[in-house]
Amino acid sequence: NAGVTQTPKFQVLKTGQSMTLQCAQDMNHEYMSWYRQDPGMGLRLIHYSVGAGITDQGEVPNGYNVSRSTTEDFPLRLLSAAPSQTSVYFCASSYSQGAFGYTFGSGTRLTVV
Amino acid sequence: GQQLNQSPQSMFIQEGEDVSMNCTSSSIFNTWLWYKQEPGEGPVLLIALYKAGELTSNGRLTAQFGITRKDSFLNISASIPSDVGIYFCAGLNYGGSQGNLIFGKGTKLSVKP
Repeated sequence: NAGVTQTPKFQVLKTGQSMTLQCAQDMNHEYMSWYRQDPGMGLRLIHYSVGAGITDQGEVPNGYNVSRSTTEDFPLRLLSAAPSQTSVYFCASSYSQGAFGYTFGSGTRLTVV
Repeated sequence: GQQLNQSPQSMFIQEGEDVSMNCTSSSIFNTWLWYKQEPGEGPVLLIALYKAGELTSNGRLTAQFGITRKDSFLNISASIPSDVGIYFCAGLNYGGSQGNLIFGKGTKLSVKP
């Protein structure tokens, strides 16, 4: 009963480095999304996917790439990390877009120095 | 884009007191949801509201979907220490770029035993 699994839980990057935040769900959910959470800002949508092979931008997509080759996985890539990307990142999934009760992962805390 | 105004930003209350928080928007939503986030974890769904005027309870929690579809409130009765956390409202519409959760900035609740 894993739900949504995010790895790693913590990461420190140097400016300019690249990395991939992993997100996997075992509920056969079609819809997956990435949010970032900053103090006093709530959660803001980065990218989302309504199914394998389909992705789209959210509110704050700049500096991030995504792909969805399988239903289970939705990785988030930082191509050239910047200090402004220091944040806590959450992956969420649901059986379909617009369906209620998104399931969230426990987050990845990223620090860019 | 759509924005949700959530208030208050933070609350410090005594155990046993009732709590009230609300969320307003400049645009309408088809669904309002309330989430709770505990430290180091992702948000967890508390209550989902599907139609204007709806009043729904979940234990000591009661939430209402405003008649105008532009607001919602959450009440917690007889607070206990485990109610501590950040409470988020979220709005949802159906389909396309609208079919993603839009979050408020959160209400941080602290409870003194």
